[in-house]
Amino acid sequence: EDQVTQSPEALRLQEGESSSLNCSYTVSGLRGLFWYRQDPGKGPEFLFTLYSAGEEKEKERLKATLTKKESFLHITAPKPEDSATYLCAVHPNAGGTSYGKLTFGQGTILTVHP
Amino acid sequence: NAGVMQNPRHLVRRRGQEARLRCSPMKGHSHVYWYRQLPEEGLKFMVYLQKENIIDESGMPKERFSAEFPKEGPSILRIQQVVRGDSAAYFCASSPQYTGELFFGEGSRLTVL
Repeated sequence: EDQVTQSPEALRLQEGESSSLNCSYTVSGLRGLFWYRQDPGKGPEFLFTLYSAGEEKEKERLKATLTKKESFLHITAPKPEDSATYLCAVHPNAGGTSYGKLTFGQGTILTVHP
Repeated sequence: NAGVMQNPRHLVRRRGQEARLRCSPMKGHSHVYWYRQLPEEGLKFMVYLQKENIIDESGMPKERFSAEFPKEGPSILRIQQVVRGDSAAYFCASSPQYTGELFFGEGSRLTVL
């Protein structure tokens, strides 16, 4: 069974204090790994797609990386507006799996204090 | 370009009643997905639809739940005879093509009394 485990469950940072969120996955072949951001009371917002080990993607203060077993979301010099729940999801390469059928992790709740 | 629209945003039902949740995908998107987020749990896939077709319903409970995406109008997730365990946030997402890059609505929060 496909599994996605995110750590830590919650992370509190001071503004400007860089850190990383972890996403470990077990999947029968990886077609894609996705990072989403979710604000309280809102739906998830797409951030990145990673397809193969060694791949990196960047957007503003966020950088996502991928290995064969895990992905990291690095946050450089975070600001209070980066506070949100960050979700990791995988799309397995199992035959016939629908493209939008993602397996999500529980998320990491990030709080950035000014 | 309006995003994915879901309504109602909040719905309260008593046990045994029916709940109908509606989702209008983004313009130009023909792929619609429904996910459920139970308290203290992650997002779980329920069903994938294209116009007039259910493509994958492997995440749907076998009883009381149904979904449709008619030729005209929004996609509808229908829950019959609701129970307290159905209380959750139900998210609709759409995409323009075969991809995991989904655009989510703001969700419909169902509370069953």
